[in-house]
Amino acid sequence: SYELTQPSSVSVSPGQTANITCFGDKLRYTFISWYQHKPGQSTVMIMYTDSKRPSGIPERFSGSKSGDTATLTIGGTQAVDEADYYCQVWDRRTQWVFGGGTKLTVL
Amino acid sequence: EVQLLESGGGLVQTGGSLRLSCAPSGFTFDFYAMSWVRQAPGKGLEWVSAISGSSGDTYYADSVKGRFTISRDNSKNTLFLEMKSLGAGDTAIYFCARLTGTTGLFDSWGQGTQVTVSS
Repeated sequence: SYELTQPSSVSVSPGQTANITCFGDKLRYTFISWYQHKPGQSTVMIMYTDSKRPSGIPERFSGSKSGDTATLTIGGTQAVDEADYYCQVWDRRTQWVFGGGTKLTVL
Repeated sequence: EVQLLESGGGLVQTGGSLRLSCAPSGFTFDFYAMSWVRQAPGKGLEWVSAISGSSGDTYYADSVKGRFTISRDNSKNTLFLEMKSLGAGDTAIYFCARLTGTTGLFDSWGQGTQVTVSS
């Protein structure tokens, strides 16, 4: 089965830049999406097609990909950004696949 | 505003069954494919099942294939997930999500309903 690998946790100081990576075999040949999940709230899609931001998502969120590693970057991180972040792809064999999730802590 | 409201969760014994429902609002239901995603305690998100908008084509994760059935009633604007032969590994919060785009982006989510399987 297809797997996406994320760091389990990332810590950042307020106002600093947070980078959350996602690695997958041959990820370079497919598009990745990113989701923000806060307990007790609805999950939000914050990035799609690698680097496109849905309407309403702050500009401090950006996405990129280099080879088989995708990166979600949060510039000028705020306390409100503290959440779990998941990358996701669609694979023809295993359908929809999520990464293991990264807990972002804003210290 | 798009809203998705899940219901039907609860405590069920090992080997039991449960049916979840999702009531969408704020969009034309039968235009969209829909999906269920779950999150077990202390774990990440796991895609469970999906169904197309009009043709009713269904898709399942290997972990639930043969035990879970996704369906929809477009006349009543409701999405269902019938779960059978439940085990401890099915304990999770189950989220209803709307799919969009050619590769199925989860663009709207509900807040989930808790399913607990206990012996």
